[in-house]
Amino acid sequence: QKEVEQNSGPLSVPEGAIASLNCTYSDRGSQSFFWYRQYSGKSPELIMFIYSNGDKEDGRFTAQLNKASQYVSLLIRDSQPSDSATYLCAVRVGDMRFGAGTRLTVKP
Amino acid sequence: SAVISQKPSRDICQRGTSLTIQCQVDSQVTMMFWYRQQPGQSLTLIATANQGSEATYESGFVIDKFPISRPNLTFSTLTVSNMSPEDSSIYLCSVEQGVAEAFFGQGTRLTVV
Repeated sequence: QKEVEQNSGPLSVPEGAIASLNCTYSDRGSQSFFWYRQYSGKSPELIMFIYSNGDKEDGRFTAQLNKASQYVSLLIRDSQPSDSATYLCAVRVGDMRFGAGTRLTVKP
Repeated sequence: SAVISQKPSRDICQRGTSLTIQCQVDSQVTMMFWYRQQPGQSLTLIATANQGSEATYESGFVIDKFPISRPNLTFSTLTVSNMSPEDSSIYLCSVEQGVAEAFFGQGTRLTVV
């Protein structure tokens, strides 16, 4: 079982819709959770982090964490074509462990 | 967030040769990290570099293949030695700041022919 699992996608949503990206992790000792965006040919950039159960909102982005279910998600509201990228879920258990990423395409 | 400069940004190398990748940070950091991202895959941690001590390598990575230097708190190098086509990948350096978020350099896209 992979430490951090994501659907590889691609996930395609129309412009203005909500994109929902999901991630599960295997280690219950995981302490913190991160979402990174990676444009093609670029390095990952941090979008959000979350430590506590529940929701955390930042602009159009909402991270959701459910430690009991070992599940973390990222919602992108009012999706824009510029949101088209690969989204990496990362979990910290000591070291940072990354999922394989979900490729999101937002169609105009 | 830290500004991380990584070079070269890309290179095409002959098999059997070595390439050294440099990573410069605009502030002092305790640990620097080196990752590999193979095509279509996620990031895999190669090693953690602390200033003044030997790097700590992850399972599957060895010092002879990926020697790392960390001469001071703002700089590190990763060498990919005796390269083969399987080493073709993106190599990223990273530092952690704030509440342990990771920040990345621009990456080095390596192609071995």
